[in-house]
Amino acid sequence: DQQVKQNSPSLSVQEGRISILNCDYTNSMFDYFLWYKKYPAEGPTFLISISSIKDKNEDGRFTVFLNKSAKHLSLHIVPSQPGDSAVYFCAASDSGTYKYIFGTGTRLKVLA
Amino acid sequence: GAGVSQSPSNKVTEKGKDVELRCDPISGHTALYWYRQSLGQGLEFLIYFQGNSAPDKSGLPSDRFSAERTGGSVSTLTIQRTQQEDSAVYLCASRHDDYEQYFGPGTRLTVT
Repeated sequence: DQQVKQNSPSLSVQEGRISILNCDYTNSMFDYFLWYKKYPAEGPTFLISISSIKDKNEDGRFTVFLNKSAKHLSLHIVPSQPGDSAVYFCAASDSGTYKYIFGTGTRLKVLA
Repeated sequence: GAGVSQSPSNKVTEKGKDVELRCDPISGHTALYWYRQSLGQGLEFLIYFQGNSAPDKSGLPSDRFSAERTGGSVSTLTIQRTQQEDSAVYLCASRHDDYEQYFGPGTRLTVT
């Protein structure tokens, strides 16, 4: 039972345009969400997070949007750069537990 | 100090042999996680340590898998009688009090 789903395994975007990566979850107890970025042969690195008390969090070119009623979050990257090409994982956590549930990842390719 | 380190970076072993994977977390981080990423899959939670104790081992795939953590620091994941389906990248992460996990580069295990 996949509690966190990233339904797009891959995405290609032209440099300078917006990249939108999507994530859906099923567990209404999740109240904290994170995005990680992973380059080949490296561990994931933290990118941005959002608490369920917010619907938007912005950090430079990266913005995460949370729609609790739809159990959906998205990561927007504007403008996209070739160095953003990586696999992006979303993760969800219930603050009452220690567990993080990860999605299967979306491979983003930014074309120069 | 330095980030999370894992050793070895790559391990090739014959089916039926035992392997030990090591994780050195960030100094002072009390929580330590092990994940597994099989080809084309997301990050699968294996086990979590808070200090030296593991409150939940339910993510371990079988009784051939075990893990320990000593001194609230280094952790070892042991796989006995390895099988080909154990081939994956094994990732370790540590966390202090906030939600963000810091990942190591992973150990790529190949069972032939």
